[in-house]
Amino acid sequence: DIQMTQSPSSMSASLGDRVTITCQASQDIGNNLIWFQQTPGKSPRPMIYFATNLANGVPSRFSGSRSGSDYSLTISSLESEDLADYHCLQYKQYPLTFGSGTKLEIK
Amino acid sequence: QVQLKESGPGLVQPSQTLSLTCTVSGFSLTNNSVHWVRQPPGKGLEWVGAIWSGGSTDYNSTLKSRLSISRDTSKSQVFLKMNSLLTEDTAIYFCTRYPPDNYPFAYWGQGTLVTVSS
Repeated sequence: DIQMTQSPSSMSASLGDRVTITCQASQDIGNNLIWFQQTPGKSPRPMIYFATNLANGVPSRFSGSRSGSDYSLTISSLESEDLADYHCLQYKQYPLTFGSGTKLEIK
Repeated sequence: QVQLKESGPGLVQPSQTLSLTCTVSGFSLTNNSVHWVRQPPGKGLEWVGAIWSGGSTDYNSTLKSRLSISRDTSKSQVFLKMNSLLTEDTAIYFCTRYPPDNYPFAYWGQGTLVTVSS
């Protein structure tokens, strides 16, 4: 199975900060990666698909990038509504595998 | 519009069988796959399994021996059955759509909490 190593597991940042979350894939997944945002009590919401593409309705302060087997989600200027858990998912190979999640808190 | 809704018993005893239903609308099961994802309270997401548009299935290898996913296309329903339940199976269970012509998992049900306890 492909392992997705996500970091950090939690982080605290101030409004307006630039925030980056990373997932490292244990095998080649190409660009077959989605970033999800999940707020308490809600279902996951896709933010970035194919590693770098913004999903419908997602603010432009969110972006995705790839460097080799490392995939990053960046929020360019943190807003209060970005308080959430973030998860990566590889869908290159079955079984699909998620990262362990990042809890983003506002300072 | 596309909708998915999970339903199930809420509370199941250890060693018993879990039966969940995902009722969909706004798309056809013969053209889309439906996946199940679960999330233990306070923990991360875990892919459980899927049923493809042609009716074939894929399962998480750690659950495969206890898991069955099926569907009734006439009723637009997908079913998950998991036997020999453990307390570790306590989780919110989500169903989500993987369309053939767009990125996966844009649409999710609201999830249903399953508690395994005596």
